[in-house]
Amino acid sequence: NAGVTQTPKFQVLKTGQSMTLQCAQDMNHEYMSWYRQDPGMGLRLIHYSVGAGITDQGEVPNGYNVSRSTTEDFPLRLLSAAPSQTSVYFCASTQGLAGVNEQFFGPGTRLTVL
Amino acid sequence: AQTVTQSQPEMSVQEAETVTLSCTYDTSESDYYLFWYKQPPSRQMILVIRQEAYKQQNATENRFSVNFQKAAKSFSLKISDSQLGDAAMYFCAYGENNNDMRFGAGTRLTVKP
Repeated sequence: NAGVTQTPKFQVLKTGQSMTLQCAQDMNHEYMSWYRQDPGMGLRLIHYSVGAGITDQGEVPNGYNVSRSTTEDFPLRLLSAAPSQTSVYFCASTQGLAGVNEQFFGPGTRLTVL
Repeated sequence: AQTVTQSQPEMSVQEAETVTLSCTYDTSESDYYLFWYKQPPSRQMILVIRQEAYKQQNATENRFSVNFQKAAKSFSLKISDSQLGDAAMYFCAYGENNNDMRFGAGTRLTVKP
């Protein structure tokens, strides 16, 4: 199993550009999430999905869109990049079993917005 | 919203010795889960340990153990016989469901040979 994969690993954008960060998992997990990691702030939840066709906002959703057309894929779209979106982005997935379960993380995407 | 606080931005330990990383959290719930994740320089997040709040017994995983004090809302991680490979950022996390995990700011652990 590849686990959770993310592309690209690095990206540089200019202010106002749009792009999509890709995320895929091959573990048949129901739950998928996007986080951003900023120095001194840990990981903050952007959007999450509890299954195909179902998404919802997390703690810091502004400026981002998501969709979940299949169980495997959960892309994150930046609509109009801003310097404040410079960060490391992590996608994660977890099983929808009882309780709160281990999150499996992708390798992250380092995004710089100039 | 629940908050997770890690009061030690940086810690260091001598190889083979023991170190304890602190974590406190704020909640009014009685049923929740707590986690410690490790992030080495590779950036990959790895689960270290998981604790269910309704379980009195502290979780252990080999050299890693926790001191869970529910009333004090404290969840510290003890690393015994520290190894060079333990050097990493450590994040404490709180969750009531799989939708909304809250992470602390992290503690950077250095292991000195």
